[in-house]
Amino acid sequence: DTAVSQTPKYLVTQMGNDKSIKCEQNLGHDTMYWYKQDSKKFLKIMFSYNNKELIINETVPNRFSPKSPDKAHLNLHINSLELGDSAVYFCASTQTGTGGLGGRITGELFFGEGSRLTVL
Amino acid sequence: AQSVTQLGSHVSVSEGALVLLRCNYSSSVPPYLFWYVQYPNQGLQLLLKYTTGATLVKGINGFEAEFKKSETSFHLTKPSAHMSDAAEYFCAVSEIGTALIFGKGTTLSVSS
Repeated sequence: DTAVSQTPKYLVTQMGNDKSIKCEQNLGHDTMYWYKQDSKKFLKIMFSYNNKELIINETVPNRFSPKSPDKAHLNLHINSLELGDSAVYFCASTQTGTGGLGGRITGELFFGEGSRLTVL
Repeated sequence: AQSVTQLGSHVSVSEGALVLLRCNYSSSVPPYLFWYVQYPNQGLQLLLKYTTGATLVKGINGFEAEFKKSETSFHLTKPSAHMSDAAEYFCAVSEIGTALIFGKGTTLSVSS
């Protein structure tokens, strides 16, 4: 049983379209993330949700809208797709540590296998 | 804000040789540091982490890393490279406010 699963794994679409990527984790974690990995393999945090509440919203165009219907799911909807949106999008989850400064992550982030989005 | 810098975007070693992947961090608070590995077309997998305690940490697949506060470093090593170690390696620091900030990655190539 996959711990963090993303669908679809591959997505090819035209500029201007709207698309969604879904993520589900069965680990009972309270925090989920979306990361974007560009063609140079650079990983950038996009969003973070803790118990369905948005806690991190990096400088991401508002064409990207995350939604967390419950703490096991975090979906990503992208409107008006642009060429520059082509990337691999990773979902991840963790159980946020109660120790440390500012509730920082102390444990493992579990990643999905990624969703490769290609915008033509 | 915390950050990590990985020195060398590409490291090539021969099978059986020492692997050394470099990571330096910047943090205004005691850092929590991680190394992750990414195999082709897969997600990231935790190799090891340092939060508190022993500064030499051992991870999976024979990797280890040493936290050196005086050098602000957390370099990853493995005594003897194996072909299966060829992958992308990411150093990361745990940011206040619950996010992992990743370095730009180092591609490890292993030749026979």
